Amino acid sequence: QSALTQPPSASGSPGQSVTISCTGTSSDVGGYNYVSWYQQEPGKAPKLMLYEVSKRPSGVPGRFSGSKSGNTASLTVSGLQAEDEADYYCSSYAGSNNWVFGGGTKLTVL
Amino acid sequence: QVQLVESGGGVVQPGRSLRLSCAASGFAFSSYGMHWVRQAPGKGLEWVAVIWFGGTNKNYADSVKGRFTISKDNSKNTLYLQMNSLRAEDTAVYYCARERLVAARPLDYWGQGTLVTVSS
Repeated sequence: QSALTQPPSASGSPGQSVTISCTGTSSDVGGYNYVSWYQQEPGKAPKLMLYEVSKRPSGVPGRFSGSKSGNTASLTVSGLQAEDEADYYCSSYAGSNNWVFGGGTKLTVL
Repeated sequence: QVQLVESGGGVVQPGRSLRLSCAASGFAFSSYGMHWVRQAPGKGLEWVAVIWFGGTNKNYADSVKGRFTISKDNSKNTLYLQMNSLRAEDTAVYYCARERLVAARPLDYWGQGTLVTVSS
């Protein structure tokens, strides 16, 4: 149950796009289309932003999109806004009723 | 509206036990699987345990297997995490979270968390 690999930080200016990667193995990210992304603001609980790689729960802006290729999933935030500044975590089903999270990426809006 | 409220955290000595509770409201608790996820101070999220909607099937992260027990009382709309043989590395904010009813079972609602500090 090794953690998924995310870059520690990412940044972009308002209006730009930024992409955060999440690399796992064929036993988790690569084996299932069950990748989720969570946003966590300081001192708050995580919030589900994407599930099943690219599906958005109601209320999540369309600026958030997801994709997957092989063992790497990606979260893209288009048209960055100041309110998008937060920590982002990917998660994947890892088989046998196990889940695994990434180490998290701190997104800074410059 | 869906609400999850954790309680039971606190300071505990290494080797002792603690039981966390998560009171659920606003949804049919007996129809949903539930998870515990923890976050050590300044660190990332770590999946801890899952329990099926009926409470029979369960699974745990290797780091807590054999020490922690997840359970749910559908008559009381409450999720529990019994933590035994606590270690310093178990110090974290513990969140309960509900599964969304889709194949991937992502966590669509989270509680506010309860802090567990293991220290002598």
